[in-house]
Amino acid sequence: DGGITQSPKYLFRKEGQNVTLSCEQNLNHDAMYWYRQDPGQGLRLIYYSQIVNDFQKGDIAEGYSVSREKKESFPLTVTSAQKNPTAFYLCASSSGRAHNEQFFGPGTRLTVL
Amino acid sequence: AQKVTQAQTEISVVEKEDVTLDCVYETRDTTYYLFWYKQPPSGELVFLIRRNSFDEQNEISGRYSWNFQKSTSSFNFTITASQVVDSAVYFCALSRRYSTLTFGKGTMLLVSP
Repeated sequence: DGGITQSPKYLFRKEGQNVTLSCEQNLNHDAMYWYRQDPGQGLRLIYYSQIVNDFQKGDIAEGYSVSREKKESFPLTVTSAQKNPTAFYLCASSSGRAHNEQFFGPGTRLTVL
Repeated sequence: AQKVTQAQTEISVVEKEDVTLDCVYETRDTTYYLFWYKQPPSGELVFLIRRNSFDEQNEISGRYSWNFQKSTSSFNFTITASQVVDSAVYFCALSRRYSTLTFGKGTMLLVSP
């Protein structure tokens, strides 16, 4: 089955700790994206990558970091510098051709205690 | 700057009623794409439709239909004969550079039996 997997579904961390969220896709898509969703809010773009070894900041990149060493993987690290890390994080991918639809993973709900 | 406005925060209907979800957008681009996604309680976003700015034909897919009007910058979504399984948050989105998307804040639809 082709798709996007995110793990874990729920994640708890203590304040001040870095945490890495996993995102893997087997759709052979070039582009991958990370979004953050807060209650009652739309999705806000954190980082995106159009090709391996390249990525760009989105609208709310502060306090986050990413890597894109493999086409199928785009992990997101939430650092201690992120002021309000508790949120629902969604990973997506697309073929990368202009204006193509994005396909989403099931999301990771991060709670920082 | 781009913007997507979904003025209806929450809509409640009774099963079999028709319901329309509004979406108004702002962009300076002459070529752009509009999208609708559904987010059921499980959290994963499901792609519903993509429409380009040159195609103002209405689209119908089963009980779903979309009305794109460039003159009013609107891309509204109608569900005919709603069902309980239609209960979800629905997002409208607008394409921007590098295949990234600008999302509205979403409309939560509650369909009761």
